[in-house]
Amino acid sequence: SQTIHQWPATLVQPVGSPLSLECTVEGTSNPNLYWYRQAAGRGLQLLFYSVGIGQISSEVPQNLSASRPQDRQFILSSKKLLLSDSGFYLCAWSSGGGQGGELFFGEGSRLTVL
Amino acid sequence: AQTVTQSQPEMSVQEAETVTLSCTYDTSENNYYLFWYKQPPSRQMILVIRQEAYKQQNATENRFSVNFQKAAKSFSLKISDSQLGDTAMYFCAFGDAGNMLTFGGGTRLMVKP
Repeated sequence: SQTIHQWPATLVQPVGSPLSLECTVEGTSNPNLYWYRQAAGRGLQLLFYSVGIGQISSEVPQNLSASRPQDRQFILSSKKLLLSDSGFYLCAWSSGGGQGGELFFGEGSRLTVL
Repeated sequence: AQTVTQSQPEMSVQEAETVTLSCTYDTSENNYYLFWYKQPPSRQMILVIRQEAYKQQNATENRFSVNFQKAAKSFSLKISDSQLGDTAMYFCAFGDAGNMLTFGGGTRLMVKP
């Protein structure tokens, strides 16, 4: 069966520090991968998605970046965090190629920037 | 671009009763999919129910059913016989042909004993 894991679960970082959130998927190959951000009490905002290794599409211009160094690994990074980067970050995957497929979400990573 | 609107930020229902969560969307596409996701306090988002736009029949999954009105661009979720475990944030989502999902702002549902 397929599983998705992301870490760390909780992170408290000072303004200006770097960030690295990691997400891995197991039990499937060539998935579509996504990073969403959920601000407190609000919906989900798509940040990045990837349909293959090294292929990253950004939905929202910001100081965050994403990379996909391996087929089932998706990393969210920042060189210098801002206060506004605080939030709950969700990684998700879906089967590549087909339409209408559901997204499967990780457990989430709560980031607090102080 | 698609938009998804959930007009009810919070709702509550008594255990064993029925509750309906509203969702409207805006799109110019004809082929798409609609989803309801549940995010319980443990935070992991899970799929509740899925509807293909080309199907006229409303999707059902046990106690969960939808009322899909394509012309009105409405996609409401009905939860029958509400249980305490149904307490969660519920997100409506629109899926396009490229597997890109747009989410609504969510409705926080509280099931009261």
